[in-house]
Amino acid sequence: KAGVTQTPRYLIKTRGQQVTLSCSPISGHRSVSWYQQTPGQGLQFLFEYFSETQRNKGNFPGRFSGRQFSNSRSEMNVSTLELGDSALYLCASRPGSGQGGSAAQYFGPGTRLLVL
Amino acid sequence: GESVGLHLPTLSVQEGDNSIINCAYSNSASDYFIWYKQESGKGPQFIIDIRSNMDKRQGQRVTVLLNKTVKHLSLQIAATQPGDSAVYFCAETNNNDMRFGAGTRLTVKP
Repeated sequence: KAGVTQTPRYLIKTRGQQVTLSCSPISGHRSVSWYQQTPGQGLQFLFEYFSETQRNKGNFPGRFSGRQFSNSRSEMNVSTLELGDSALYLCASRPGSGQGGSAAQYFGPGTRLLVL
Repeated sequence: GESVGLHLPTLSVQEGDNSIINCAYSNSASDYFIWYKQESGKGPQFIIDIRSNMDKRQGQRVTVLLNKTVKHLSLQIAATQPGDSAVYFCAETNNNDMRFGAGTRLTVKP
């Protein structure tokens, strides 16, 4: 099976702009989670989508939003970008319907966002 | 507050030796504890997980130990190889979210 893919891989934006990142999960996986990774804060959970519905949400401001499509592909959007939003944004997928005996999430390579 | 943390930020071992990476957690309600490996320029890669009702689980060259009494999790890597050099994260989840530790950088010396 193909792994999780994320586009674009690199992005440069300026403060105040908005950005949309895309994630295609592993085929058959219905749960997609998004994470922000920075040197200072580490890996932080943004939100999880399952069957087109946000199932869980981390502690991020409303500028961070997401959605999931019927084919399980997901997008996340960050509006009114701030310098502190510069980070590696990671998407992870898993089957989603219960743990199934494992908590494994499979990560994509991430989108590195630089806000100038 | 509840958190997932790591005892050591860096670990250096000789090739062929065994490595032990430690993690402390404080959320007793977590269902699973997981270890991930992240190489430079890549996303985290799942290594192994352990359910909260277990105390040991083995994989290929890796063993995860869970001590619920002292809320401690460890990852043991047998016969460490240069390809094991990476940052290792522990994480905990209760199916609502997943919280990661700060990470330990493992360096394998030839």
